Amino acid sequence: RKEVEQDPGPFNVPEGATVAFNCTYSNSASQSFFWYRQDCRKEPKLLMSVYSSGNEDGRFTAQLNRASQYISLLIRDSKLSDSATYLCVVNSRDDKIIFGKGTRLHILP
Amino acid sequence: NAGVMQNPRHLVRRRGQEARLRCSPMKGHSHVYWYRQLPEEGLKFMVYLQKENIIDESGMPKERFSAEFPKEGPSILRIQQVVRGDSAAYFCASSLPVGDEQFFGPGTRLTVL
Repeated sequence: RKEVEQDPGPFNVPEGATVAFNCTYSNSASQSFFWYRQDCRKEPKLLMSVYSSGNEDGRFTAQLNRASQYISLLIRDSKLSDSATYLCVVNSRDDKIIFGKGTRLHILP
Repeated sequence: NAGVMQNPRHLVRRRGQEARLRCSPMKGHSHVYWYRQLPEEGLKFMVYLQKENIIDESGMPKERFSAEFPKEGPSILRIQQVVRGDSAAYFCASSLPVGDEQFFGPGTRLTVL
């Protein structure tokens, strides 16, 4: 099983819809979880950290399921500007940070 | 603005030349990470450094690649005798403690002719 795994997509979603992606991780001892966003040919930018209790930031909700070893990202009322690649990040063994390969999201007008 | 700085933003080298990529972390950050991203691929971890120490270089190719983070000055990723396959975007990130959020620089796009 890969350390961090994401569905590469692309997810093609109409504007205004709700979309969700999951990311699975293999190391049950992982402690830190993040979602990053990367626009084409740009650097990744932190979208949000993922806390055990789940957290929300505007239209974005992140959740952690330790039992099943996955994190999720939900985007409500999607905007054209949400089109990007979303990277799941998990701290793995020996505190190494592992990036998933990303899920591509296209919001359609 | 105390964001992560990388230079140059674009670097063109001929096969066999050396490439030096520089990264200045955010103010107060002592942990630096280098990643490589090939076109249409994900980020690949290369090396993690603290001041004057390489902590984890498990992602670094065994030959031609080296990294340092001296007591003074930026972190340097050095690629000797570049080959076409080294063409990629190289991103640097910095953080406070390990395991904390990483903040990325704008990257250096290396093209090897």
